[in-house]
Amino acid sequence: NAGVMQNPRHLVRRRGQEARLRCSPMKGHSHVYWYRQLPEEGLKFMVYLQKENIIDESGMPKERFSAEFPKEGPSILRIQQVVRGDSAAYFCASCLLGRNTEAFFGQGTRLTVV
Amino acid sequence: DQQVKQNSPSLSVQEGRISILNCDYTNSMFDYFLWYKKYPAEGPTFLISISSIKDKNEDGRFTVFLNKSAKHLSLHIVPSQPGDSAVYFCAASANAGNMLTFGGGTRLMVKP
Repeated sequence: NAGVMQNPRHLVRRRGQEARLRCSPMKGHSHVYWYRQLPEEGLKFMVYLQKENIIDESGMPKERFSAEFPKEGPSILRIQQVVRGDSAAYFCASCLLGRNTEAFFGQGTRLTVV
Repeated sequence: DQQVKQNSPSLSVQEGRISILNCDYTNSMFDYFLWYKKYPAEGPTFLISISSIKDKNEDGRFTVFLNKSAKHLSLHIVPSQPGDSAVYFCAASANAGNMLTFGGGTRLMVKP
């Protein structure tokens, strides 16, 4: 019973390139969160999705960032035209439908923009 | 505007003693609280949770206490072990949905 799988674990991009981060939730989980952890900071909520629907994107920067969770396949967090300030660890978590259930996290993708 | 705060960035404790990690929140709509543990280069792992209808939940060496009137929760680890050394995050969710709001984390160091 695989946990939340994120890939790649490490991603290096030059300024101006695009970064695509993938997240496969735990089997049976229909909801996915994305969080970002900047160096020396806590986890900041970015977006909350269910399949084919964005539930809450209040934590997403207004430009360059987008997320999707298609009917088939992993959830994708896409960052266009990356800048140095995008360098961070990006964590995906999944949970079952319903309230008061814990979210299970993947191991994260560490994005470095050079 | 931080709705969940962990005011101690770090805590050092001797092996075998009690570790107490604190968390304060401001949003009175929060009704479910969780603690996560995070090792370097790994994702957070769920530790223990508590619903607002309770004031205490215990799981082995870990106990979470909730004081709703003070909007405060704490995680007690006893006895502390060197393997407990990690960053601990508290998180909260409101009845509007499952979105978790995290605190900034407390780095716990347990000395042998």
